[in-house]
Amino acid sequence: DVKVTQSSRYLVKRTGEKVFLECVQDMDHENMFWYRQDPGLGLRLIYFSYDVKMKEKGDIPEGYSVSREKKERFSLILESASTNQTSMYLCASRTPGTGDNEQFFGPGTRLTVL
Amino acid sequence: DQQVKQNSPSLSVQEGRISILNCDYTNSMFDYFLWYKKYPAEGPTFLISISSIKDKNEDGRFTVFLNKSAKHLSLHIVPSQPGDSAVYFCAASGRNTGNQFYFGTGTSLTVIP
Repeated sequence: DVKVTQSSRYLVKRTGEKVFLECVQDMDHENMFWYRQDPGLGLRLIYFSYDVKMKEKGDIPEGYSVSREKKERFSLILESASTNQTSMYLCASRTPGTGDNEQFFGPGTRLTVL
Repeated sequence: DQQVKQNSPSLSVQEGRISILNCDYTNSMFDYFLWYKKYPAEGPTFLISISSIKDKNEDGRFTVFLNKSAKHLSLHIVPSQPGDSAVYFCAASGRNTGNQFYFGTGTSLTVIP
């Protein structure tokens, strides 16, 4: 059974804090993704990684950074959390290839920044 | 700039009837389209996909139709069941998007028993 896990389901942080969101997959997938989901805006890509130590900006990378030191782990970092980063964060992974290779998603982390 | 759009934020359907969820896209280079289903407090799960070389793909109660000339796809669920109540996202990828998928804003489906 394929599995993508995220370190926290719910997280509350204060403005200005550094926040780490961790994602681990056990499917040996090369590609990993971080999205945020907001009402009326759907899923928007923050960053993705083709492979270890590789990263690409998505549509909304501002205020975020990522780290991929091991194949199974992809971390999203909020350098200085702000209230507009309150959102649902979703991690996904997939095998590269044709476009119908589905992404497998984790359960999400609901982050609230006060 | 939203390349994939779902113009209906919500849809209510009686149990046993057909649910039709719609999706429009602007990028003619998209060649794969996927539908995901999301329950509250869970991550999206893959439902069905279609390649641009096809105009229909069927999997049990779920059928996706693709109209390339109109840049439109739809998901049909027949018959609808209460367990189908969820948010549905369409997604697209293409030769010029690398490994990136573009998601729509989602349609919340409620199937009324």
